[in-house]
Amino acid sequence: GAVVSQHPSRVICKSGTSVKIECRSLDFQATTMFWYRQFPKQSLMLMATSNEGSKATYEQGVEKDKFLINHASLTLSTLTVTSAHPEDSSFYICSAIGPGGYGYTFGSGTRLTVV
Amino acid sequence: AQTVTQSQPEMSVQEAETVTLSCTYDTSENNYYLFWYKQPPSRQMILVIRQEAYKQQNATENRFSVNFQKAAKSFSLKISDSQLGDTAMYFCALAGRNNDMRFGAGTRLTVKP
Repeated sequence: GAVVSQHPSRVICKSGTSVKIECRSLDFQATTMFWYRQFPKQSLMLMATSNEGSKATYEQGVEKDKFLINHASLTLSTLTVTSAHPEDSSFYICSAIGPGGYGYTFGSGTRLTVV
Repeated sequence: AQTVTQSQPEMSVQEAETVTLSCTYDTSENNYYLFWYKQPPSRQMILVIRQEAYKQQNATENRFSVNFQKAAKSFSLKISDSQLGDTAMYFCALAGRNNDMRFGAGTRLTVKP
């Protein structure tokens, strides 16, 4: 079946630094990838949608300059949290769909802690 | 705008019994997909069941089935013969023509031995 690899699974960074999270489809071409944020004991909140080769579409209230999304190839999307602050600490999850639509595959998530 | 509402923050059920999780949604689209996902403590999202809105027949996957009421915009999940491994967070989700999937607040299900 379809597999999405998300890396790293855990990261701790210092306040003010940037951190990059990768989401890679291993055995299919991901035409669209999604990035979610999940606070403890809460739901997944859609942050942005990225299509290969085009700019990401951000949800209302999500700072596009803080959360940089790049979808440069059909198998890789990256989320960069710039100038991270403790309030950016959260669980980030990506998902991807391939040609033909609704076969969503989720990555295993990244726990980001900003200290 | 598309919204998904899960009104049961927590549910519990005895092992081997049946439990139903509720979900309502709102969308202006006619073609969309509905999902139930399970999120265990590992936080990996696991697809439980999927329903295409254009299909009248309710989806079934082994012990899991849905009651899809399109006019009422209701999409409940029934778990039969509950097992201890079913203990998890369950999220109802909706995806429309833009493919962006939106989730409800979730229901924490505990299966008691």
